[in-house]
Amino acid sequence: NAGVTQTPKFRVLKTGQSMTLLCAQDMNHEYMYWYRQDPGMGLRLIHYSVGEGTTAKGEVPDGYNVSRLKKQNFLLGLESAAPSQTSVYFCASSQPLLTQYFGPGTRLTVL
Amino acid sequence: AQKITQTQPGMFVQEKEAVTLDCTYDTSDPSYGLFWYKQPSSGEMIFLIYQGSYDQQNATEGRYSLNFQKARKSANLVISASQLGDSAMYFCAIKNSGGYQKVTFGTGTKLQVIP
Repeated sequence: NAGVTQTPKFRVLKTGQSMTLLCAQDMNHEYMYWYRQDPGMGLRLIHYSVGEGTTAKGEVPDGYNVSRLKKQNFLLGLESAAPSQTSVYFCASSQPLLTQYFGPGTRLTVL
Repeated sequence: AQKITQTQPGMFVQEKEAVTLDCTYDTSDPSYGLFWYKQPSSGEMIFLIYQGSYDQQNATEGRYSLNFQKARKSANLVISASQLGDSAMYFCAIKNSGGYQKVTFGTGTKLQVIP
């Protein structure tokens, strides 16, 4: 039982490059979330999804896009990476009203 | 809008003693849930405890208990009999019950357990 997985675990990008982070969950959860964690800032919600084919903006959505084409997958895209997007990215999933379960995180550095 | 405030950036506690980590919240939703997560130095987020806004009793999970005072909008985490393995960052979070169930986290408290 893998729970929530994220790929890749680490990535280094140059400014202006693009990439996609993949989140997968095997718990049949309806809701999925993408957060970024920066020192002293806690976790901030980037985008989230309440079901297949739906997405919504969180607290810090600028510079990111997401897609939820399949219930088990939630993709986070950076079209043109900037140094300000250097962070640790966490994906989470949950059922409505219940606890969120987190993936192990992706450490992204943008040079 | 909803907000979580954790006013203690860092805390120290002696091993085997109890410690309280503070969390206050603000929300306009009548129904919501409050969560505490632990993040050790390895980085993963570990769920500890949950309190629903309409729960009559304070939540408990082993050595963790949540001191929920709805009128004061506080949801403090109490860790009893601290262990060295409790040294970590602790985050309080709130989740509304509306259709889009947005979750907001506090900035965290770094707890260090002293032998």
